[in-house]
Amino acid sequence: SAVISQKPSRDICQRGTSLTIQCQVDSQVTMMFWYRQQPGQSLTLIATANQGSEATYESGFVIDKFPISRPNLTFSTLTVSNMSPEDSSIYLCSVIQGGGTDTQYFGPGTRLTVL
Amino acid sequence: SQQGEEDPQALSIQEGENATMNCSYKTSINNLQWYRQNSGRGLVHLILIRSNEREKHSGRLRVTLDTSKKSSSLLITASRAADTASYFCATALGIGNEKLTFGTGTRLTIIP
Repeated sequence: SAVISQKPSRDICQRGTSLTIQCQVDSQVTMMFWYRQQPGQSLTLIATANQGSEATYESGFVIDKFPISRPNLTFSTLTVSNMSPEDSSIYLCSVIQGGGTDTQYFGPGTRLTVL
Repeated sequence: SQQGEEDPQALSIQEGENATMNCSYKTSINNLQWYRQNSGRGLVHLILIRSNEREKHSGRLRVTLDTSKKSSSLLITASRAADTASYFCATALGIGNEKLTFGTGTRLTIIP
């Protein structure tokens, strides 16, 4: 399975600021996704990160708030913009390697606290 | 909105006993995946079962899928303290729509 790393692993930020989270995979993958897990809750998909084009956002999530980049097949970033305490969550990237497998693997997550 | 509901929300059992968690979903799916999460960390993939499969095994794990009832179950046999975690089911609708919709999760506690 793909090895996925995320940076930072955790951060504490002030409201109104922005944080960019990086997701790096050790091999090329066909699909990358970003999820949010609010405290005590399950996971919700934010968007599908498309290589070389704009991400596809789920209902309730917008590009101005969560800009996403995916410049190549192994790397993506998620920015949480103009943060508020309600953005305090764990943010996770996930990948599908392709090649006939649709198992989705997750990174270790970024725990964000907004004060 | 959540695709699935998991039952029970929380489960505590003695070490060595079997643990069963159930997942229900609302629409037709291509596959269903089970994950484990320890203390708010990343998700560990446990098993994937496709819509044309009824049962899969992996070590101490047994997963069943009943597409007529839109439900799945995860059985952990001979539980260990290290199995203490939250368990989530997640469904994917199909090719071209691989994004996962997660259930509410079951918090499993194994009592030594």
